[in-house]
Amino acid sequence: DTAVSQTPKYLVTQMGNDKSIKCEQNLGHDTMYWYKQDSKKFLKIMFSYNNKELIINETVPNRFSPKSPDKAHLNLHINSLELGDSAVYFCASSQEEGLGSGANVLTFGAGSRLTVL
Amino acid sequence: DAKTTQPPSMDCAEGRAANLPCNHSTISGNEYVYWYRQIHSQGPQYIIHGLKNNETNEMASLIITEDRKSSTLILPHATLRDTAVYYCIVRVSGSNYQLIWGAGTKLIIKP
Repeated sequence: DTAVSQTPKYLVTQMGNDKSIKCEQNLGHDTMYWYKQDSKKFLKIMFSYNNKELIINETVPNRFSPKSPDKAHLNLHINSLELGDSAVYFCASSQEEGLGSGANVLTFGAGSRLTVL
Repeated sequence: DAKTTQPPSMDCAEGRAANLPCNHSTISGNEYVYWYRQIHSQGPQYIIHGLKNNETNEMASLIITEDRKSSTLILPHATLRDTAVYYCIVRVSGSNYQLIWGAGTKLIIKP
């Protein structure tokens, strides 16, 4: 059983299109994330949801809109795709270890490679 | 914000111990040190984390200096499958579990 699953794994599309990437976790975690990894391989957080509520929203264009129908799902919708959106997008989930322990371990999906032509 | 410094790349012979250093001189007292790795074309994988004490699990050992300004990840018997980019991260204090990822260390295990 895959703990964090993302679909699709590969996505090739034209500029200006709208696309979505889906993410589901079966770990019972309360928090889910979307990360972007660019061509230089840096991982940057985009969004974080805790129990369906947005808690981190980094400076990303408002063309990116996360949707969390329940705490096991966090989908990423992207409008009006641009060349610079080409990257690998990773979904992750986590559960705080113990009350106030401060430790937080992320489980990542395999990634979704988006190529905008 | 605590940040980390790692060498960009390292080599290690198969079967030997791989020791990956990390500097985090501005770490705060309540910030954990995490290690993840990313094997080519896969998602990052959690390895180990620690606060003050040394830690060991089935994957690796984490040695944190007494002043907490640096740490070393040890893979005791490296295999070819350990070839990956290894990230040392500390959580940004005051934020909701936000981790700032650096460039990591590209570890190449050689036969």
